[in-house]
Amino acid sequence: EAGVVQSPRYKIIEKKQPVAFWCNPISGHNTLYWYLQNLGQGPELLIRYENEEAVDDSQLPKDRFSAERLKGVDSTLKIQPAELGDSAVYLCASSLVGTEQFFGPGTRLTVL
Amino acid sequence: DAKTTQPPSMDCAEGRAANLPCNHSTISGNEYVYWYRQIHSQGPQYIIHGLKNNETNEMASLIITEDRKSSTLILPHATLRDTAVYYCIVRLHTGGFKTIFGAGTRLFVKA
Repeated sequence: EAGVVQSPRYKIIEKKQPVAFWCNPISGHNTLYWYLQNLGQGPELLIRYENEEAVDDSQLPKDRFSAERLKGVDSTLKIQPAELGDSAVYLCASSLVGTEQFFGPGTRLTVL
Repeated sequence: DAKTTQPPSMDCAEGRAANLPCNHSTISGNEYVYWYRQIHSQGPQYIIHGLKNNETNEMASLIITEDRKSSTLILPHATLRDTAVYYCIVRLHTGGFKTIFGAGTRLFVKA
């Protein structure tokens, strides 16, 4: 069974540039999560989808971050414009409702 | 959602049992205890979860105290590959649950 796929694995951009991350969840998983992880800290939830609906986006900085999950499968997380403080690992996870989450390898973003 | 308290780091000798504690004194009656681990440069990996009873799977055992205010994750025979950050989380299964990761416990397994 294929796991959660994320791309790219690494991204280096200059500040004020846009950036997008892509996530393909495990087949059949209706719940998808985006997390941000700073160095030495645990993941922090940015947004949670159940199918196409964002059911928890309270921690998503909506002035510069956006996300979408068209057709309830793949998801894209975008930052525009990126700031130096956005440098972190962005993790995607998926699950069936009420079960354990399966995480992808993450995208490491460096903003210069 | 309840928060958890874990020691920042622990050491364990290879082949010995690793016992990782977690305090969750404000856990509510319908919140589960979950454990994940994160090996360097990888995403977190699910280990085990439980509500009231002790649980065991191929990876670990979870011991939950009778009052549910604390739990212990046991890796029965730690190997070098078990060196990772271990996260204890409490959460609901449905509804408006949040999965809140703390800083976790960094476990070093030494040869």
